[in-house]
Amino acid sequence: DSGVTQTPKHLITATGQRVTLRCSPRSGDLSVYWYQQSLDQGLQFLIQYYNGEERAKGNILERFSAQQFPDLHSELNLSSLELGDSALYFCASGEALTGELFFGEGSRLTVL
Amino acid sequence: GQQVMQIPQYQHVQEGEDFTTYCNSSTTLSNIQWYKQRPGGHPVFLIQLVKSGEVKKQKRLTFQFGEAKKNSSLHITATQTTDVGTYFCAGRNYGGSQGNLIFGKGTKLSVKP
Repeated sequence: DSGVTQTPKHLITATGQRVTLRCSPRSGDLSVYWYQQSLDQGLQFLIQYYNGEERAKGNILERFSAQQFPDLHSELNLSSLELGDSALYFCASGEALTGELFFGEGSRLTVL
Repeated sequence: GQQVMQIPQYQHVQEGEDFTTYCNSSTTLSNIQWYKQRPGGHPVFLIQLVKSGEVKKQKRLTFQFGEAKKNSSLHITATQTTDVGTYFCAGRNYGGSQGNLIFGKGTKLSVKP
């Protein structure tokens, strides 16, 4: 158990819809990272938050947005969903000293 | 932009054979990390290499960081069925925040008993 909690584990929705994925980082970690993992595409960095502020942005589409709340949990909002958005979305939180990332179990999104 | 290339994409070995995956960056890295993702699981941190030419061992796993800090390798000696999974390298640029951890596409290892 990494200590990072993600919900929901599975989500099936239709094109054009909007979903929200939720992540609670490990106790004490201020950073939250979001990654997208599509089949055979590795882990694509989407965005990082640190203590409520956006810290770094990767290949995140304009249809996607995220935020980190005062209690440090984070939400990833995906809107106007397309078939190609079907993927496993991982949240990770970071260890400040070593830079090690702890990943949650992921949210599998299927867009039909 | 920065790219981290990882080869091979797939590797099938007989149990007891050795396995190596290679990671190459288009830019000099400040450090490199390795993660393992078991089938159906999430990536789990294995190790971080920071120094040029660094070599670290974890039981049957040997990790190397190139002298130029642009490449790295993971070698597994005498593979076991428990080694099955996808191995990812992830490189970080100098001056980059923790967010600039660029993952390779991974090497998927299967081990035939």
